[in-house]
Amino acid sequence: GESVGLHLPTLSVQEGDNSIINCAYSNSASDYFIWYKQESGKGPQFIIDIRSNMDKRQGQRVTVLLNKTVKHLSLQIAATQPGDSAVYFCAENIWHGSSNTGKLIFGQGTTLQVKP
Amino acid sequence: DAMVIQNPRYQVTQFGKPVTLSCSQTLNHNVMYWYQQKSSQAPKLLFHYYDKDFNNEADTPDNFQSRRPNTSFCFLDIRSPGLGDAAMYLCATSRDEGGYSPLHFGNGTRLTVT
Repeated sequence: GESVGLHLPTLSVQEGDNSIINCAYSNSASDYFIWYKQESGKGPQFIIDIRSNMDKRQGQRVTVLLNKTVKHLSLQIAATQPGDSAVYFCAENIWHGSSNTGKLIFGQGTTLQVKP
Repeated sequence: DAMVIQNPRYQVTQFGKPVTLSCSQTLNHNVMYWYQQKSSQAPKLLFHYYDKDFNNEADTPDNFQSRRPNTSFCFLDIRSPGLGDAAMYLCATSRDEGGYSPLHFGNGTRLTVT
């Protein structure tokens, strides 16, 4: 299954299928991006990150793709499992010059529901 | 092993009664953040500390203040909570790597205002 557009709130997939969650970011100067998973009642949990000098990065069952031309980020989850059910947020790092560090701005989340 | 610890997990306060939320970390990270997350929304950055330097977001209400007495601890003070301040408050930390370090979040404090 695949989410389309920034504001699609829910993606429902069958267990074992691949999932694709999409995100559009706002700032063309952003150079670092992170995907977080948030389960109910918990804080966001780091999944995978990517710098702007890359267009693809793979982790365990997850892949992040970055298309800087259209400011688009996607998270692919292979063989989706019930434990993957959560809200997924993309976040872009915006450089904060006065503090000489970055600050993370979150996009709207996508709820992933995995059907057994 | 909890690395970013927020206390309490649930906090109930009365309208207008000051409340303090606390965060501690065992990661020795020099950057600490406070985010506000309302139901079904993305976390919204309130402010962050780079070491002892405080950096406020332009749209953070004056009602929200923060203190960081040392590397390990950071506090969020809400001086006069309103009903609209009911939310999950998330603390996060990161290393200073020029902005290329992921944030590590605690499990948040859910604030209810009655």
